[in-house]
Amino acid sequence: EPEVTQTPSHQVTQMGQEVILRCVPISNHLYFYWYRQILGQKVEFLVSFYNNEISEKSEIFDDQFSVERPDGSNFTLKIRSTKLEDSAMYFCASSSARGHTEAFFGQGTRLTVV
Amino acid sequence: AQSVAQPEDQVNVAEGNPLTVKCTYSVSGNPYLFWYVQYPNRGLQFLLKYITGDNLVKGSYGFEAEFNKSQTSFHLKKPSALVSDSALYFCAVRDMGSGGATNKLIFGTGTLLAVQP
Repeated sequence: EPEVTQTPSHQVTQMGQEVILRCVPISNHLYFYWYRQILGQKVEFLVSFYNNEISEKSEIFDDQFSVERPDGSNFTLKIRSTKLEDSAMYFCASSSARGHTEAFFGQGTRLTVV
Repeated sequence: AQSVAQPEDQVNVAEGNPLTVKCTYSVSGNPYLFWYVQYPNRGLQFLLKYITGDNLVKGSYGFEAEFNKSQTSFHLKKPSALVSDSALYFCAVRDMGSGGATNKLIFGTGTLLAVQP
């Protein structure tokens, strides 16, 4: 069964450093997303990406965040200068269509900023 | 604004007993509703969804959910719980932006299901 894969599973970084979280969405999917889950809190939407551009983003997704699909398979989330409060589990997801179609999530990358 | 509420932080049930995990929603228009499950140190796994049609939808692992428009609820159910069902369950609704359903999912706070042997 096709699945969304994320690397690394755990990343520890120092405050102020840049991190790149990587995702390989399901191959025939067209819509890509990043969500995050701060420990003990709800899953929050960050950004959606379609046709090589951001289609929607939340207030959390400020200038420190960026997304890219550098080739035909990878989808990345970059945080330019990490803060302590960026520590969270980051989930990548993809879907074949918008609206009523379910999104499939990766296993997540746990980001710890120290 | 669209929102989802899961009123119970934790649900405890004995193995073999029926289980219900509650979810209520608030959206404008017709909702697209989803249930996801999260096992420890794992990602979110899709269980089932309601888009339109039959109010009772069946999903993975024997779970089902009943859409009730008058009560704005979408409770997750299973006739006979298993210890392996113990996990964190999230209800979610697709954000209905001004142009129709967007890609964004709005999640509830999650309900921890604990099934005792």
